Amino acid sequence: AQSVTQPDIHITVSEGASLELRCNYSYGATPYLFWYVQSPGQGLQLLLKYFSGDTLVQGIKGFEAEFKRSQSSFNLRKPSVHWSDAAEYFCAVGPASGGSYIPTFGRGTSLIVHP
Amino acid sequence: DVKVTQSSRYLVKRTGEKVFLECVQDMDHENMFWYRQDPGLGLRLIYFSYDVKMKEKGDIPEGYSVSREKKERFSLILESASTNQTSMYLCASRKGARRTEAFFGQGTRLTVV
Repeated sequence: AQSVTQPDIHITVSEGASLELRCNYSYGATPYLFWYVQSPGQGLQLLLKYFSGDTLVQGIKGFEAEFKRSQSSFNLRKPSVHWSDAAEYFCAVGPASGGSYIPTFGRGTSLIVHP
Repeated sequence: DVKVTQSSRYLVKRTGEKVFLECVQDMDHENMFWYRQDPGLGLRLIYFSYDVKMKEKGDIPEGYSVSREKKERFSLILESASTNQTSMYLCASRKGARRTEAFFGQGTRLTVV
């Protein structure tokens, strides 16, 4: 069965500092991988996705993530955090085969940004 | 842009009431999902539908049922609401094909009193 682990429940950074949110997945084959962001009281918005090809993917709002097969990781990064990045971040995985599937989500990491 | 619309942002219902949460998507997506979100537990799948009139139980289906009579609409039903069903409910949809992501509605915060 597929699973996703986000080891950090909360991350606190200062505005302007760099950010890395960790995501580890468990899946027997090449997965599809996603990062979503949820602002308070809102639904989830897709930040970026990995299906195949270049292992460094660029997303919206200046985020990027790198797929590392050897480490079963898909960590999210941003070089300089803005106060508006404070939100909940979810990593998700889906199988890279078949059409209909159920994406599995991690428990989320809450990002706190200090001025 | 894909739009997934949930009928209510906030709902307050009484214990024992039958509650309907509605979700509509406008992009002809085959797959639709209902998740429940609680602090520290992330998103937990309640039910999944991979096409019209098709449904599968997720991880926490107890106390819930669903209906998908039309492709664009997926309804979550709380047969007899209880206080432990107070939560944020998220609907999502995706095209039933490879290399597609899920799109989410804005969520319904349900309080059962």
